[in-house]
Amino acid sequence: KAGVTQTPRYLIKTRGQQVTLSCSPISGHRSVSWYQQTPGQGLQFLFEYFSETQRNKGNFPGRFSGRQFSNSRSEMNVSTLELGDSALYLCASSLAISKHNEQFFGPGTRLTVL
Amino acid sequence: DQQVKQNSPSLSVQEGRISILNCDYTNSMFDYFLWYKKYPAEGPTFLISISSIKDKNEDGRFTVFLNKSAKHLSLHIVPSQPGDSAVYFCAASPGNRDDKIIFGKGTRLHILP
Repeated sequence: KAGVTQTPRYLIKTRGQQVTLSCSPISGHRSVSWYQQTPGQGLQFLFEYFSETQRNKGNFPGRFSGRQFSNSRSEMNVSTLELGDSALYLCASSLAISKHNEQFFGPGTRLTVL
Repeated sequence: DQQVKQNSPSLSVQEGRISILNCDYTNSMFDYFLWYKKYPAEGPTFLISISSIKDKNEDGRFTVFLNKSAKHLSLHIVPSQPGDSAVYFCAASPGNRDDKIIFGKGTRLHILP
């Protein structure tokens, strides 16, 4: 069974631009969560989607948004990029939204904002 | 407000010895705890978990201990192997089914030859 895939793996943007990251969950998984990882802050939760609905949202500004499609694939978008948005963005999928469901992470998208 | 704290950014342990990674939490509503391991250029992978109704869970070389009164959990790796060198994240989940999992900042473990 294929794991969680994220595209692109690396991305370089400039301040003010916008970016869209994509995540394909493990087949059969209906929940997708997004995290931002930075050296000083560890893994910070962005949002979680289940059945195309946002079920949870972290403490990030409205520039960060996401969506989930009917095939459970998810995208996240960051508008008006800032230098501080440079980070590794991780996507994780799980069978359902239950907190006891193990999350499977993708390799991440490394975003650099210049 | 950091609800899950891993106060040691890094830890070095001799191969073959015991590695102990610590994690403290502040929210008494957390009732499920997980450890994830992360290698460079890869996403985190699930290692072991423990429910608040238990105080110990063991899986091979990995054992997690939970002290609810102290709001403290620890991951023991015995014996430590070179492949254990990675970043370890502690995570906690509150009792509410719909609440998000909170991760700590991670501890980088170096296994020395």
